[in-house]
Amino acid sequence: DAKTTQPTSMDCAEGRAANLPCNHSTISGNEYVYWYRQIHSQGPQYIIHGLKNNETNEMASLIITEDRKSSTLILPHATLRDTAVYYCIATPGNTPLVFGKGTRLSVIA
Amino acid sequence: GAVVSQHPSWVICKSGTSVKIECRSLDFQATTMFWYRQFPKQSLMLMATSNEGSKATYEQGVEKDKFLINHASLTLSTLTVTSAHPEDSSFYICSASRFSSGGLYNEQFFGPGTRLTVL
Repeated sequence: DAKTTQPTSMDCAEGRAANLPCNHSTISGNEYVYWYRQIHSQGPQYIIHGLKNNETNEMASLIITEDRKSSTLILPHATLRDTAVYYCIATPGNTPLVFGKGTRLSVIA
Repeated sequence: GAVVSQHPSWVICKSGTSVKIECRSLDFQATTMFWYRQFPKQSLMLMATSNEGSKATYEQGVEKDKFLINHASLTLSTLTVTSAHPEDSSFYICSASRFSSGGLYNEQFFGPGTRLTVL
């Protein structure tokens, strides 16, 4: 799996968009970008994934740069319940997910 | 859909005893199941990969005789921590995977975790 780099922590005001960056400059052509989050003392929760096109679902949007070397996860209207550690993982999708340190997002009222 | 359960959610045991943790995929058949361990303030670490009916593949540094994995069916995997010691206290998380509808990649779904405390 390609190495990913994320900021250690971020703050976001409640109701505002949270933009979480991820750098994956060594990503291979067959590797997807996955985002998971882990709320304290729970198992990781799938958010979204993409290969090269931007993706959107009911939880978030994923913007992948044209060269695929970086991506941004967007939570359009952050709530207190979105406070969690967010993990960006680059993987071909047929191997177990390997987690880095992630970004600790704190949503502030 | 795609729900994974774990039982128990937490367990406290005495040093030297064995503890079994169950992982079930409730509404799908999992091609593969994975076991992770997470220490406080750290990320998840993959312990082993298991496929139904075959021996588990353990990551480097994980003792296969201490962490016994049985994958009895496409919906059930168990992790037994044998002769548990305080240093085995951790948050154990399982996940189950299935192929996407197009078969291009695996979708991996996680259980809620089991907190093990060894006294």
